[in-house]
Amino acid sequence: SQKIEQNSEALNIQEGKTATLTCNYTNYSPAYLQWYRQDPGRGPVFLLLIRENEKEKRKERLKVTFDTTLKQSLFHITASQPADSATYLCALENSGYALNFGKGTSLLVTP
Amino acid sequence: GAVVSQHPSRVICKSGTSVKIECRSLDFQATTMFWYRQFPKQSLMLMATSNEGSKATYEQGVEKDKFLINHASLTLSTLTVTSAHPEDSSFYICSARDSGQGGTDTQYFGPGTRLTVL
Repeated sequence: SQKIEQNSEALNIQEGKTATLTCNYTNYSPAYLQWYRQDPGRGPVFLLLIRENEKEKRKERLKVTFDTTLKQSLFHITASQPADSATYLCALENSGYALNFGKGTSLLVTP
Repeated sequence: GAVVSQHPSRVICKSGTSVKIECRSLDFQATTMFWYRQFPKQSLMLMATSNEGSKATYEQGVEKDKFLINHASLTLSTLTVTSAHPEDSSFYICSARDSGQGGTDTQYFGPGTRLTVL
């Protein structure tokens, strides 16, 4: 069956450090992969989409890599700030274009 | 970026009543919208796919007669929870896929609706 796995339920890091979140998937052949941020009681907010022919994508302090051989995406937040504290979701589309999500990684950035 | 609105943001109702939730794409047209449900500490689970002008497609285990979906236009989909019961209490989130000309294939989510059934 298709699975999307994200590393650990919670990641605590100090302000200014780089946070690295992992997303592994099985039984998908995605054309692209998406990362979302979700704050408590809110809907997910789109962050980045990376396509299968892109090794890396950047947006401000965010960087995403996509390795279709390893079936893995890494999501980095550099110079992390307390405002980056949230749950980060990895998502892949199914055949009907709906998104399947990983369980998410909760990030806490402490001052 | 594209904006999706949802209304109401929060609703409390008595058991047995029906509740309608609206989802609108504000600055793009969406032939396909999706409805998800999220229970505490869990990830989003797809309930149904809403297609403009046709019947919705429901995921296994989701009762189509209980969760009525209407996709009346390219910018509006509604979810009606009929005869709501306490176990229907959850966070309901819609999304719309920006798949039109010049679209990004990205899904944009509404802010969610917190439903509490007493």
